[in-house]
Amino acid sequence: GQQLNQSPQSMFIQEGEDVSMNCTSSSIFNTWLWYKQEPGEGPVLLIALYKAGELTSNGRLTAQFGITRKDSFLNISASIPSDVGIYFCAGQRGNTPLVFGKGTRLSVIA
Amino acid sequence: DTAVSQTPKYLVTQMGNDKSIKCEQNLGHDTMYWYKQDSKKFLKIMFSYNNKELIINETVPNRFSPKSPDKAHLNLHINSLELGDSAVYFCASSREGQPGELFFGEGSRLTVL
Repeated sequence: GQQLNQSPQSMFIQEGEDVSMNCTSSSIFNTWLWYKQEPGEGPVLLIALYKAGELTSNGRLTAQFGITRKDSFLNISASIPSDVGIYFCAGQRGNTPLVFGKGTRLSVIA
Repeated sequence: DTAVSQTPKYLVTQMGNDKSIKCEQNLGHDTMYWYKQDSKKFLKIMFSYNNKELIINETVPNRFSPKSPDKAHLNLHINSLELGDSAVYFCASSREGQPGELFFGEGSRLTVL
């Protein structure tokens, strides 16, 4: 099946640092989404992107839908301890099922 | 009120047993899903139902059978459990026209011994 290449797999950063992660695909998607999963919980939607080139912010989070429609990135500015979790990118096209990346595990050191 | 709730949260059982996981959403969504998350945290869709009708059935063994008594409920029944079925199973729902914006339940961790 389709796969999204998400990187990095894991990150250890100091509180206050900025974070960047990205996702690439060999296929075009019409929608790119970013989810966050905390331990013992289900993933929660952070940002949804619907147009190529779109740049959207949600508080300290900013995500972009790549012009080629084959990639997306997520930035987190001034990280705080509660940013800890696994961040998943996901791509969707037409009526096909959402495809998830393998996740970026973020650890924040206070 | 919990938007998407699933029970049980934890399930430990022996190989060969049959078990069910229940899911309910109070968001008024038309589409519900079951996802499986393995030990490496990879999320893979299993089934999707829209208004009680099956619309997606990924490559999943026949031992897994979803049932949707109404559009607010989607249950998952698993027969003859195997060791490889151990995983966290997530129920999710989405609005009509926004299939990518999923609302997930808290997950049900199944351990098969």
